[in-house]
Amino acid sequence: DAGVIQSPRHEVTEMGQEVTLRCKPISGHNSLFWYRQTMMRGLELLIYFNNNVPIDDSGMPEDRFSAKMPNASFSTLKIQPSEPRDSAVYFCASSNGGTGGYYEQYFGPGTRLTVT
Amino acid sequence: SQQGEEDPQALSIQEGENATMNCSYKTSINNLQWYRQNSGRGLVHLILIRSNEREKHSGRLRVTLDTSKKSSSLLITASRAADTASYFCAWGAGSYQLTFGKGTKLSVIP
Repeated sequence: DAGVIQSPRHEVTEMGQEVTLRCKPISGHNSLFWYRQTMMRGLELLIYFNNNVPIDDSGMPEDRFSAKMPNASFSTLKIQPSEPRDSAVYFCASSNGGTGGYYEQYFGPGTRLTVT
Repeated sequence: SQQGEEDPQALSIQEGENATMNCSYKTSINNLQWYRQNSGRGLVHLILIRSNEREKHSGRLRVTLDTSKKSSSLLITASRAADTASYFCAWGAGSYQLTFGKGTKLSVIP
């Protein structure tokens, strides 16, 4: 398996523009997570999906952020409009429920977003 | 921190020495995991320890868990320059979610 795939790897955009980040989870995994990593705040969970359904989006910063998972092999995280404080590395991770409730997560390489 | 802490925040050692990193958490858990992140890359899962286990080994890695103290430690023995990375603990309570610590940045000097 190719692992979790994210695109683009780097994105530079101007404030006010729409940004769309994409993720393809590992085939057969039933959970998908979007994280944001910054030096100041560390790794923050934004949203997670189970069987394509959003389960917890309490980490989404504000209405400018939205995420979708139209099918088991694709998810997007959209920021509209983007702001400089959104600059961070965004990771997608997927997981497959193991036995007994122990779930390791597999991370993609991340998208480094810079908003100027 | 409302979630937990890792210490030290940064650690610098000579190649061949052992490295110990600590993690504390504040909730009830059923498992605790350690991940490694090389610079500019995603996190990679290293080892998982269940709440009913006290110690686990994987190659040069040794993880301990003390649920009474809500703490865990990761020991890397005979460190190598390639072990240079950030190490994160993450804990779960049986759902799909994990909560990640802030990480320890390890530098191994050749």
